[in-house]
Amino acid sequence: DAGVIQSPRHEVTEMGQEVTLRCKPISGHNSLFWYRQTMMRGLELLIYFNNNVPIDDSGMPEDRFSAKMPNASFSTLKIQPSEPRDSAVYFCASSWERDGEQFFGPGTRLTVL
Amino acid sequence: SQKIEQNSEALNIQEGKTATLTCNYTNYSPAYLQWYRQDPGRGPVFLLLIRENEKEKRKERLKVTFDTTLKQSLFHITASQPADSATYLCALDTGGKLIFGQGTTLQVKP
Repeated sequence: DAGVIQSPRHEVTEMGQEVTLRCKPISGHNSLFWYRQTMMRGLELLIYFNNNVPIDDSGMPEDRFSAKMPNASFSTLKIQPSEPRDSAVYFCASSWERDGEQFFGPGTRLTVL
Repeated sequence: SQKIEQNSEALNIQEGKTATLTCNYTNYSPAYLQWYRQDPGRGPVFLLLIRENEKEKRKERLKVTFDTTLKQSLFHITASQPADSATYLCALDTGGKLIFGQGTTLQVKP
């Protein structure tokens, strides 16, 4: 198995642009998590899905952020419009069960100028 | 308020010694706790999970303890090696989702 796949690995965009981050979880995993990591705030959970259904989006900063999971093998995190304070590394993780060990992807480093 | 504290200062130890990392928490009652390792530029990697009814868990040179009275977990690496140098994150269960500490950076010197 290739593990959790994220794309792009790096994204540089200008303030106000739409950004879409993509994630392919490990096959057979039924839970998917989106995290954001910064030096100041550490690793923060944004949203998680169980069986493709969003369970908890309380970590989503504001309405500019949205996430979808149209099927078991694909999820997107969208930021529209992006702002410089959104600059961070965004990780996707998946697990067999909601409270099991999580397998993280390599992350997407987002820079908003 | 809820808080998870890991030693923010880097831990520097000599190769062969035992490294002990601390994770303290307040206002949580986690059913389990996990430890992850993160190398620069990479995502966290799962190491160990310990449940509230377990006092201690071991895996090769790693040992984790969980004291729900003290609200503390200790993570030990015995016979440390330079390859153990990384940031170690503790994560608490909060009813289906994990809350991560800021991590402690460990540097093992040869």
